[in-house]
Amino acid sequence: AQSVTQPDIHITVSEGASLELRCNYSYGATPYLFWYVQSPGQGLQLLLKYFSGDTLVQGIKGFEAEFKRSQSSFNLRKPSVHWSDAAEYFCAVAPGVTNAGKSTFGDGTTLTVKP
Amino acid sequence: NAGVMQNPRHLVRRRGQEARLRCSPMKGHSHVYWYRQLPEEGLKFMVYLQKENIIDESGMPKERFSAEFPKEGPSILRIQQVVRGDSAAYFCASSPSRGAGANTEAFFGQGTRLTVV
Repeated sequence: AQSVTQPDIHITVSEGASLELRCNYSYGATPYLFWYVQSPGQGLQLLLKYFSGDTLVQGIKGFEAEFKRSQSSFNLRKPSVHWSDAAEYFCAVAPGVTNAGKSTFGDGTTLTVKP
Repeated sequence: NAGVMQNPRHLVRRRGQEARLRCSPMKGHSHVYWYRQLPEEGLKFMVYLQKENIIDESGMPKERFSAEFPKEGPSILRIQQVVRGDSAAYFCASSPSRGAGANTEAFFGQGTRLTVV
């Protein structure tokens, strides 16, 4: 069975500082990985996804993520955080490239941005 | 093209009542997924439907919960005889069934927040 672990429940960074959110997955085959962002009271917005190819994936809002098979990780990064990035971030893994809707989600990391 | 529409946004029910949550997928999408998000947790998959068919209900509780996606109209998640533990946010997602990117990305609605009192 697939699983996702987000080790950090809550992260606080200063505006303008760099950000890295950790995600570790467990899956027996080639993983299909996603990062979503959820603002309070809202649904989820896809930031980026990885299916194959280049292990460094670029997403929206200046986010990127790097897939490292040897470490079973898919960490999300942003070089300079903006106050509007404060939200909850979810990493997810899907069982197949054409089954994105049936994903297993981590428990999320809440990001607070200090002025 | 409107996004995934869920209604109501907030729903309050007394214990023992029925809750009906509706989801209209994006235009052209025929795959619908329901998720539940308990407080302080991530989303948990419940059920995957295509038009008139339940494809995968491995995440659905065995009792009181049911889902449908009729040929016409929205998908419905129905919870009978609600209990306090059903209080959660319920999210629907849809994905396209053909064409570029078919089913490789799920688009989420804003959710229905169910409170059972």
